[in-house]
Amino acid sequence: QMQLVESGGGVVQPGGSLRLSCAASEFTFRSYAMHWVRQAPGKGLEWVAIISYDGANKYYSDSVRGRFTISRDNSKNTLYLQMNNLRIEDTAVYYCAKRDGDWGQGTLVTVSS
Amino acid sequence: DIVMTQTPLSSPVTLGQPASISCRSSQSLVHSDGNTYLSWLQQRPGQPPRLLIYKISNRFSGVPDRFSGSGAGTDFTLKISRVEPEDVGVYYCMQASQFPHTFGQGTKLEIK
Repeated sequence: QMQLVESGGGVVQPGGSLRLSCAASEFTFRSYAMHWVRQAPGKGLEWVAIISYDGANKYYSDSVRGRFTISRDNSKNTLYLQMNNLRIEDTAVYYCAKRDGDWGQGTLVTVSS
Repeated sequence: DIVMTQTPLSSPVTLGQPASISCRSSQSLVHSDGNTYLSWLQQRPGQPPRLLIYKISNRFSGVPDRFSGSGAGTDFTLKISRVEPEDVGVYYCMQASQFPHTFGQGTKLEIK
């Protein structure tokens, strides 16, 4: 059974940083592009970023470009999202997802003073 | 950015009856590689999203065959042939043909 398990969420002050991780198992992680998608409390889904299978290509939403960095370590079957200069509006559950595939359970990021 | 517009936003349905959700994109979703990257996701209450359909009409692993997707270009439809209790939740369309990828607003499916 394919699994994606996010971690690294928590409470951070505006302007702070967090790094999210997504541990993948039971599939050939290195062969697939991976997304981060977020969902603010009570709101819909917002796409954040995607990284190609080899990490060579990365794309971001306008709302996070320049502040967030997506990366991956295929030797560790792990996807990352480095989030810097966090804003209150970044408060959300962050999901990792395999392109055209399964989603993780999510990790909550709360940006609050 | 491509805007995805779903209708209706709320859909009360009777158990055992069909349901249909429409998704319209502001631009054609046909990618330069010839594929159309339009997906449908289901989010049950308190659960993460789950992929139902990808590339317009391909059912993801484990998805019941009462779910089907159709459409082309800018107009797409998700159909549930007979609604069951576990189908309650919010349904989203998502385009991955162009960056940034974008979602529809979501359609809440509830039982009458």
